[in-house]
Amino acid sequence: KQEVTQIPAALSVPEGENLVLNCSFTDSAIYNLQWFRQDPGKGLTSLLLIQSSQREQTSGRLNASLDKSSGRSTLYIAASQPGDSATYLCAVPDAYTGGGNKLTFGTGTQLKVEL
Amino acid sequence: NAGVTQTPKFRVLKTGQSMTLLCAQDMNHEYMYWYRQDPGMGLRLIHYSVGEGTTAKGEVPDGYNVSRLKKQNFLLGLESAAPSQTSVYFCASSYSTGNTIYFGEGSWLTVV
Repeated sequence: KQEVTQIPAALSVPEGENLVLNCSFTDSAIYNLQWFRQDPGKGLTSLLLIQSSQREQTSGRLNASLDKSSGRSTLYIAASQPGDSATYLCAVPDAYTGGGNKLTFGTGTQLKVEL
Repeated sequence: NAGVTQTPKFRVLKTGQSMTLLCAQDMNHEYMYWYRQDPGMGLRLIHYSVGEGTTAKGEVPDGYNVSRLKKQNFLLGLESAAPSQTSVYFCASSYSTGNTIYFGEGSWLTVV
C-alpha cells in the first residue's frame, strides 16, 4: 500500500525567505504527483501536477521536482509572502487498482510566513 | 465558473439520522470522488465514480452509500449516522486518470 509522508509537519519562516517542502512516497510506480494548497476552512487547490516523465514543473514562484527512483518530491517556494501561509499537501495516484485516479495524500506541511 | 459545488456546507445530525451530501460539477468531468478529512489522518477516499452510472469503494466506504445518476452529480449518503462520521467531507472531480483533480469547498458534518 502506498504511503506518503511530508516533513516537516509545520514550518514558520520570515517573509522573503526561500523554502523547500518535502514529500516522500513508498511505491515509485506512480504516473504523476500533485501538490495542493489548503487554506483554513477551505477546500484544496491544485498548485502543480508533475507527470512521471517530468523532473520539474514551475508556476510563478513555485517549483516542484520529482525523483521517482528515490520516492521524493520537493516544492520550492521562492521569496515567501504572508499570503503563502497555508497547509501544503502532496498526493500520488493509485497505480494498480484499475485506474480511477484515486489519490493517496500526505498529512501536509502547515506553513506560516511571518512579517 | 462554479467548478465543484457541495451542499450543505454545515450540518449537525443526531446519531441514527440519515442525510445526503450533494456534489455538482460543471466541468464535464468523468471522474468524481468523495473524501473525508480528519485531524492526524489526512484525506481518505470513501467512494469514487469513473462515469455516469458507476460507483466503486475507496479506502473507508463502510457506513456510506453513493449514487451517480447524472454525470454532473455525485451523492454521498449516510443511512444511519454515527459519531465516528463526524468529519469534513470533500467532493472532487477530474477529467480522467492523470489529470488535475479539483476539489469543492467542503461540508462540515457533526454527529451528536
